[in-house]
Amino acid sequence: EAGVVQSPRYKIIEKKQPVAFWCNPISGHNTLYWYRQNLGQGPELLIRYENEEAVDDSQLPKDRFSAERLKGVDSTLKIQPAELGDSAVYLCASSWGPSSYNEQFFGPGTRLTVL
Amino acid sequence: ELKVEQNPLFLSMQEGKNYTIYCNYSTTSDRLYWYRQDPGKSLESLFVLLSNGAVKQEGRLMASLDTKARLSTLHITAAVHDLSATYFCAAGNYGGSQGNLIFGKGTKLSVKP
Repeated sequence: EAGVVQSPRYKIIEKKQPVAFWCNPISGHNTLYWYRQNLGQGPELLIRYENEEAVDDSQLPKDRFSAERLKGVDSTLKIQPAELGDSAVYLCASSWGPSSYNEQFFGPGTRLTVL
Repeated sequence: ELKVEQNPLFLSMQEGKNYTIYCNYSTTSDRLYWYRQDPGKSLESLFVLLSNGAVKQEGRLMASLDTKARLSTLHITAAVHDLSATYFCAAGNYGGSQGNLIFGKGTKLSVKP
């Protein structure tokens, strides 16, 4: 069974440019998470989807970040415009259900460098 | 607000030695996860602890949960080089969004021969 797939794996952009990350969760997992992991830190939740609904986006910087999960499967996270402080690894995770009793499976992440 | 603290943040061990990583959390949570992360890789789930007194073991790693003390430990027995990685604990956000996990900063473990 395929795991969580993310692309691209690496992205280098100049500040003020837009960037987008894509995630395909494990088949059958209806809950999808986007996390940001800064260097030397643990992951921090940006947004959580249950099917196509964003049920928790309280930590998403909405002035420059946006996300969508059309049809409740794949998801895209966008930053426009990117700032230097956005350099981090962006992790996507999925789980079978919404409760934190359900194990989250993480993708390989996208390492973003903003110059 | 749930906060999770790990210590130590860095740990250098000799092969064959034992050590314990501690994970404290600030408010009620009865769901505790341990993850492993190798450099440049994603997080791999190690243990899920769902009740007070839960103990799980896999190879040289053993995790336990004390919900009354708000403490989980990850004990390493007779460390080997292959255990070198960063270990994260994460607690379930009991009072808020129940699907969310709050992660500690991680413990970077280096096992030297």
